[in-house]
Amino acid sequence: TAGITQAPTSQILAAGRSMTLRCTQDMRHNAMYWYRQDLGLGLRLIHYSNTAGTTGKGEVPDGYSVSRANTDDFPLTLASAVPSQTSVYFCASSDSKDGNYGYTFGSGTRLTVV
Amino acid sequence: GQNIDQPTEMTATEGAIVQINCTYQTSGFNGLFWYQQHAGEAPTFLSYNVLDGLEEKGRFSSFLSRSKGYSYLLLKELQMKDSASYLCAVLDSNYQLIWGAGTKLIIKP
Repeated sequence: TAGITQAPTSQILAAGRSMTLRCTQDMRHNAMYWYRQDLGLGLRLIHYSNTAGTTGKGEVPDGYSVSRANTDDFPLTLASAVPSQTSVYFCASSDSKDGNYGYTFGSGTRLTVV
Repeated sequence: GQNIDQPTEMTATEGAIVQINCTYQTSGFNGLFWYQQHAGEAPTFLSYNVLDGLEEKGRFSSFLSRSKGYSYLLLKELQMKDSASYLCAVLDSNYQLIWGAGTKLIIKP
């Protein structure tokens, strides 16, 4: 089934450790996004990439880094995790072909930093 | 700054009609989206409005007034499976989605 695959589904991580959340899409969408979703705060953009080779900072980029080596993959790295990074992380993609700007979301990664 | 407002929570009865409102103030406007998100799941696309007026899709309809910075999502013949959060999002001048915090809809029998 075409779409976005995120891994892992959930993870418990010790504070101070590093971790990479994986995101892969097979729709050949140009743009990809990483969001975190916390209760009462809605979706907040961490980083985005409008096309392979480029990335940009969103609303809450501190403590996170991304890379976009190719169209399909957009990993999110936490260099040294802190408890405030406990959240649900969603990867999404979009493409403006045919005027369709809607986002497709992965199933999410639930991260707990202890 | 950019701001999207929608009620935090609403309650409705199975079989009834409910209207979820969304007001926005954004830098530019290239369309408004509604997404549905069931607990523990990813958001899924419901509707997209870029012109003023009502878009109907089965039991769900979405309305837009650009001059008022206002949209609503209308759900008819409510079913228990409609219990979910409904997210309003605006595509800004940079073609990035600005998200509201979502409205949690509780359906009672």
